[in-house]
Amino acid sequence: QITLKESGPTLVKPTQTLTLTCTFSGFSLRTSEVGVGWIRQPPGKALECLALIYWDDDKHYSPSLKSRLTITKDTSKNQVVLTMTNMDPVDTATYYCAHRNYESSGTWYFDYWGQGTLVTVSS
Amino acid sequence: SYELTQPPSVSVSPGQTASITCSGDKLGDKYACWYQQKPGQSPLLVIYRDSKRPSGIPERFSGSNSGNTATLTISGTQAIDEADYYCQTWDSSTVVFGGGTKLTVL
Repeated sequence: QITLKESGPTLVKPTQTLTLTCTFSGFSLRTSEVGVGWIRQPPGKALECLALIYWDDDKHYSPSLKSRLTITKDTSKNQVVLTMTNMDPVDTATYYCAHRNYESSGTWYFDYWGQGTLVTVSS
Repeated sequence: SYELTQPPSVSVSPGQTASITCSGDKLGDKYACWYQQKPGQSPLLVIYRDSKRPSGIPERFSGSNSGNTATLTISGTQAIDEADYYCQTWDSSTVVFGGGTKLTVL
């Protein structure tokens, strides 16, 4: 049974750095083709994928946010950490982590999601 | 950058068929999936690989993808299907979500 849970601050000030942790169970990031992604959703708006990290430590970032994001993994702790620098009120959103499932057909998708954590950026 | 376009809203009467479209350049050459999101909940995968249903998703949910358009179809729509629906694909390793469609069952 796969579960994921996000943790981190609920309130950050503008210009601060946000650090979020995704703690998961039921799978290992040592397993080939496994990945974990961070997706955010501003209130009332659409989903946006921020970053993905894979079993082989390959990483992909949203082109528009790449300069502000860092994603890392700790396989011994079953955790994935996302840092986002220079936070702004427009970054207020619910942040989700999700398990990426890959199929040999070449398709993949997010099949398990955490409950999400609302981060508010305000002074 | 690659974009996916969805209608902001779709309305359907209970028991009727709802179709939600997702448009992107040569989307049919890629794989698409669909997520359902109800208020206050995390997204739920309802269709993957264009037309496959995950375990536990009712048969009334189906999908197709051809040309520039992927379509999520809900047959015999029920009140519990009222939700936001998002399509998703990827382009050059970048994950792309559509803007979402609010399905109203009235």
